[in-house]
Amino acid sequence: NAGVTQTPKFRVLKTGQSMTLLCAQDMNHEYMYWYRQDPGMGLRLIHYSVGEGTTAKGEVPDGYNVSRLKKQNFLLGLESAAPSQTSVYFCASSPSRVVTEAFFGQGTRLTVV
Amino acid sequence: RKEVEQDPGPFNVPEGATVAFNCTYSNSASQSFFWYRQDCRKEPKLLMSVYSSGNEDGRFTAQLNRASQYISLLIRDSKLSDSATYLCVVGNNRLAFGKGNQVVVIP
Repeated sequence: NAGVTQTPKFRVLKTGQSMTLLCAQDMNHEYMYWYRQDPGMGLRLIHYSVGEGTTAKGEVPDGYNVSRLKKQNFLLGLESAAPSQTSVYFCASSPSRVVTEAFFGQGTRLTVV
Repeated sequence: RKEVEQDPGPFNVPEGATVAFNCTYSNSASQSFFWYRQDCRKEPKLLMSVYSSGNEDGRFTAQLNRASQYISLLIRDSKLSDSATYLCVVGNNRLAFGKGNQVVVIP
């Protein structure tokens, strides 16, 4: 049972390049989330999804887009990467939004130069 | 006001000692409360849920005070392996994370 898997684990981008981060979960969870974690800032919610075909904005959505075409996958896209998007990105899933824990992927370390 | 506030520390704790820290939350309608542990360069993992009646898991005790809107975590008989960042997490319509309390257990 893999849980939550993120790909890639590391990436270096040049400013202006685009990329997609993939999150896959095999626990049949309804809710999925993308967070970024920066030193001194804690985890901040970028976007989330409450089910297949739905997405919603979190605290810091600007510069990112997401899609949830299949229940098990949640994609995070950067259309034109900026150095301010250098961060560690974590995907998480949970069976419900409020009352239960969230399970995290191992993270993607993204550097934009 | 931040949704969840924690004093980041670091908290330098002698091995075998007890350490306690709190976090405060701003949304009185929050429904769920957790402590997560995050090791350096790793993903957060659930340490324990927090209930109004308080709960204990081995050397770890968590308390929730709804009236004052704070959550506490106490670690007894600290081990070197307890060195990590402890994240306070509050759930309402989404999970909100504090910045974490960094704990360093010193031999």
